[in-house]
Parts: sequence; C-alpha cells; structure tokens
Amino acid sequence: GEDVEQSLFLSVREGDSSVINCTYTDSSSTYLYWYKQEPGAGLQLLTYIFSNMDMKQDQRLTVLLNKKDKHLSLRIADTQTGDSAIYFCAERRTGGFKTIFGAGTRLFVKA
Amino acid sequence: DTAVSQTPKYLVTQMGNDKSIKCEQNLGHDTMYWYKQDSKKFLKIMFSYNNKELIINETVPNRFSPKSPDKAHLNLHINSLELGDSAVYFCASSQASGGIQETQYFGPGTRLLVL
Repeated sequence: GEDVEQSLFLSVREGDSSVINCTYTDSSSTYLYWYKQEPGAGLQLLTYIFSNMDMKQDQRLTVLLNKKDKHLSLRIADTQTGDSAIYFCAERRTGGFKTIFGAGTRLFVKA
Repeated sequence: DTAVSQTPKYLVTQMGNDKSIKCEQNLGHDTMYWYKQDSKKFLKIMFSYNNKELIINETVPNRFSPKSPDKAHLNLHINSLELGDSAVYFCASSQASGGIQETQYFGPGTRLLVL
C-alpha cells in the first residue's frame, strides 16, 4: 500500500458526517474504489468512481475525486455505529492486472 | 449460496508443517486472487489467476504455491510454515481482469496461526 495512502484512524460521533481521505500516485489510474471491512469479515465493495468523474453519490455515501491532486475522499453522512469498520481505498491502474490497496482507515463511531 | 467461500476459516498449526487453503467462487468469474492481510491490516496481493493461468505472481516465497484446477477454484498450498506466515489470507474473484469488471469480491478470510 505504499502508493496509496490513508490516515489510519478516524473517530466521529453518531449522526455526524465522516470524511475519509486517500491519496494515490498513479495519474493513469482508471478506477478508484472504496471497500469496507467489518471485524472478522472480508472486504466488501462500497462504491467506485471512474477517473473522468469528479463526484459520485450513492445514498449516504459521497465520493469526491480531485484528479489534479490525486486525492480521493469518502463522505458518510449521518454516520451510524454500524459504520464502524476499516475502509480501504484502492486504485486500479491502466495496464497490468493489479489493484493497489491502501492500509485502511479505522472508523470509530461513538454513540 | 455464498459467492466466494474459503476453507478452513481458522487454521492453527505448527512451524514446519504443510497446509492448504481452498477457495471457490460461484459467480462465474474468470479471475481469482490470493491476498495476505497482516496484523496491521495491510492487504498485499500474492497471486492472481485468469482462466486457470497465472497472471500475477508477486514476490512471495516459493513455499507458497497456488493451484487452479478450474476457473471456479484457486487453492493455496504452503510448505514448511513459518511464524511469519501467520496472517489472514483472503481469496477474491472478479469477472475479468480489466476495467470495472475487475471489481473484486472477497471471501471471508482464513485466519492462519503458526505456532
């Protein structure tokens, strides 16, 4: 995950918005993903954005992409205790077959 | 009707032993992957197979050998287990190996503990 960076921890109160940030290095990346990992489980795809888009909204989730700065963010509105998990940012590069994952951001939601 | 399944879920074994982890997907996907997640939750690709052919082989000790008998299965055999092999191993699959079809679906993980 050295090419995809995320802050390791985020703590928010229930009902607040959470913003998880990610930076990546390959400007040729085509797709950028957000995965969620709950304790003891595998990774679950939350949402993705194509590199020619600036924003994507899906219910409580909003993804913002700043391609110039290679910065991706995930905003979770009205955060609930069930949103507590690890969130992984991932980039899919053109060419090759690899998806590169960040180290994950641990989201703690306080009741 | 689990999409990507792995067995066993937990594996506790002694150093030096040989063990296998099995993965099966019923999604009709062409590509399967093995990842290792260490204690800090860092996820690292190990291998990928597309239609039974190896397409990604990262710098992994040759004690690890993947085998894909058909495109629905990708097994991981580990020889001479070492303490540092303790981790969670995730299998994943994707429809293809390009574009959004590469969206990966993960299994529940196999927690390997080497004593």
